[in-house]
Amino acid sequence: RKEVEQDPGPFNVPEGATVAFNCTYSNSASQSFFWYRQDCRKEPKLLMSVYSSGNEDGRFTAQLNRASQYISLLIRDSKLSDSATYLCVPSNNNDMRFGAGTRLTVKP
Amino acid sequence: EAQVTQNPRYLITVTGKKLTVTCSQNMNHEYMSWYRQDPGLGLRQIYYSMNVEVTDKGDVPEGYKVSRKEKRNFPLILESPSPNQTSLYFCASSVLNQPQHFGDGTRLSIL
Repeated sequence: RKEVEQDPGPFNVPEGATVAFNCTYSNSASQSFFWYRQDCRKEPKLLMSVYSSGNEDGRFTAQLNRASQYISLLIRDSKLSDSATYLCVPSNNNDMRFGAGTRLTVKP
Repeated sequence: EAQVTQNPRYLITVTGKKLTVTCSQNMNHEYMSWYRQDPGLGLRQIYYSMNVEVTDKGDVPEGYKVSRKEKRNFPLILESPSPNQTSLYFCASSVLNQPQHFGDGTRLSIL
């Protein structure tokens, strides 16, 4: 079993759609959780941290369920510029474990 | 500007010819690490360093060496590159226990 499992996608959605990505992780010692975004052939960039109570940053909402070891990312009102691969990253101290990513394409 | 700088960005070389990929950060971060990214496998950690003169193996260290003589630099060395080391490589740095910042990546092709 992979340490971090994500919906493989690809997700192809129209502009304005709401899309949700899921992620499960196996290491119960994980303490911090992040979503990174990676554009094709570019470096991963931090999108947002994920807090136990859930958190929102504009159109993006992240949820964490420690009991189920499950993380989610919701994107509302999708923009063309949201097209990218989204990486789920649980972390234990500095040991960050990257999922293989979910690819999103937003179409006009 | 805060950044992680890798060089070279692209390199095509041949089996067995030693090469070094440099990584430098200007944020005074303690933690630095190297990853490789291959299709369908995500990012896998090669080596990491918690501070100067402190390095440790990640998940896929075979065939690689690193050093951390200065806080800002963390070079990745391939003593005898082989075709299975063809990959996209990223250097990253952070304050301890914080999200990592990545360099632009180095695409290595070993023939």
